[in-house]
Amino acid sequence: QVQLVESGGGVVQPGRSLTLSCAASGLAFSSYAMHWVRQAPGKGLEWVALSSSDGSNQFYADSVKGRFTISRDNSKNTVYLIMHSLRAEDTAVYFCARGKFSYMDVWGKGATVTVSS
Amino acid sequence: DIVMTQSPDSLAVSLGERATIDCKSSQSVLYRSNNKNFLAWYQQKPGQPPKLLISWASTRESGVPDRFSGSGSGTDFTLTISSLQAEDVAVYYCQQYYTTPITFGQGTRLELK
Repeated sequence: QVQLVESGGGVVQPGRSLTLSCAASGLAFSSYAMHWVRQAPGKGLEWVALSSSDGSNQFYADSVKGRFTISRDNSKNTVYLIMHSLRAEDTAVYFCARGKFSYMDVWGKGATVTVSS
Repeated sequence: DIVMTQSPDSLAVSLGERATIDCKSSQSVLYRSNNKNFLAWYQQKPGQPPKLLISWASTRESGVPDRFSGSGSGTDFTLTISSLQAEDVAVYYCQQYYTTPITFGQGTRLELK
């Protein structure tokens, strides 16, 4: 059974940094691209970042480019979202998702990030 | 960026009736070399992550009831629920994966009438 479990969420002050992790099990992790998608309170879905299966290519939404970094450790079956210079508008539930041709076929339950002073 | 626009924003349908949600992309998501539309549909229930229903505009995921169907090509797509069940109450999103940035529609809230 494929499972994705996010961790690392919390409350952080504006301008500070936070790293989210997503641990995968039940899949050949190194064979799949991985996404981060976020959802602000009461809002729709916003794609954030994509990592290729080997981690050699990354793609970002304009809203996070230069501030967020997606990385992965295939030996640990884990993908990360390293977030710097956080803003109030980054407050959201962050989902990791398995990528299949760039759509998302398996999702984690999400980690909540609140940016507030 | 490709803008995805869904209509309507909300929809109320009686049990057993048909529900139709439209999705329009600002440019074609049809990849002509393989004749595939890079369009997916997701269902999200309150407090849950999204669930993939349909990929390639019309390919139903394994385990998704056959009352869900997707159609369309190019820039105009439709998700149809042929006979609404109570468990189908949710928000539905279309998504294009033709190019980055990957973009979602704003969502359509489906309720019971």
